[in-house]
Amino acid sequence: ETGVTQTPRHLVMGMTNKKSLKCEQHLGHNAMYWYKQSAKKPLELMFVYSLEERVENNSVPSRFSPECPNSSHLFLHLHTLQPEDSALYLCASSQALFGLAGGTGKWARLQQFFGPGTRLTVL
Amino acid sequence: AQKITQTQPGMFVQEKEAVTLDCTYDTSDPSYGLFWYKQPSSGEMIFLIYQGSYDQQNATEGRYSLNFQKARKSANLVISASQLGDSAMYFCAMREGGVLMEYGNKLVFGAGTILRVKS
Repeated sequence: ETGVTQTPRHLVMGMTNKKSLKCEQHLGHNAMYWYKQSAKKPLELMFVYSLEERVENNSVPSRFSPECPNSSHLFLHLHTLQPEDSALYLCASSQALFGLAGGTGKWARLQQFFGPGTRLTVL
Repeated sequence: AQKITQTQPGMFVQEKEAVTLDCTYDTSDPSYGLFWYKQPSSGEMIFLIYQGSYDQQNATEGRYSLNFQKARKSANLVISASQLGDSAMYFCAMREGGVLMEYGNKLVFGAGTILRVKS
């Protein structure tokens, strides 16, 4: 496998269920991200992990619980979700650097590579 | 205030013609990066092109070029010789500041523009 993979690709769950989304990156990156993409809204950053440490929790409800056991894997554990949580959940990875890279040179680019997403429907 | 504004919800372009997708941004940080991503109906976000705030020249990647007007805070994507496979949603995104290990590499995305290429 190459790039960023996500499983499952589609998930339907009830509000009382517990499920987990999985993301795996094969790019040797050290930062991973969860995004939520709802209809008619911009992508919303949910969580950022850098070197397996959570460095950002963007005011996400506690019913979403991320886990990053190593630099290649990222999970999003879901429990007691609401119908408004139905969305496309995208995982991404990138390199992150020690120190300030600024806006110049090759290290500044560091684009994020995205997985195909998990389409979640909460009934 | 919106950090990234894409004013065109949808665009049509004739196959083989060029099209410009607009993006304006808002930041007071002198160091930032601007990205364009393509999202086909399959859902995956595909990186297209990057422009750094200190880059002297406009970025180009094959049929993609970025019309970077720093004073106007705009970073429009130009797609030349449109192909049917270019039909997708296009997102402009910005990273403010440099890249710090402590903070990862956070992007803020615009609302996107749906592009439809007609044959």
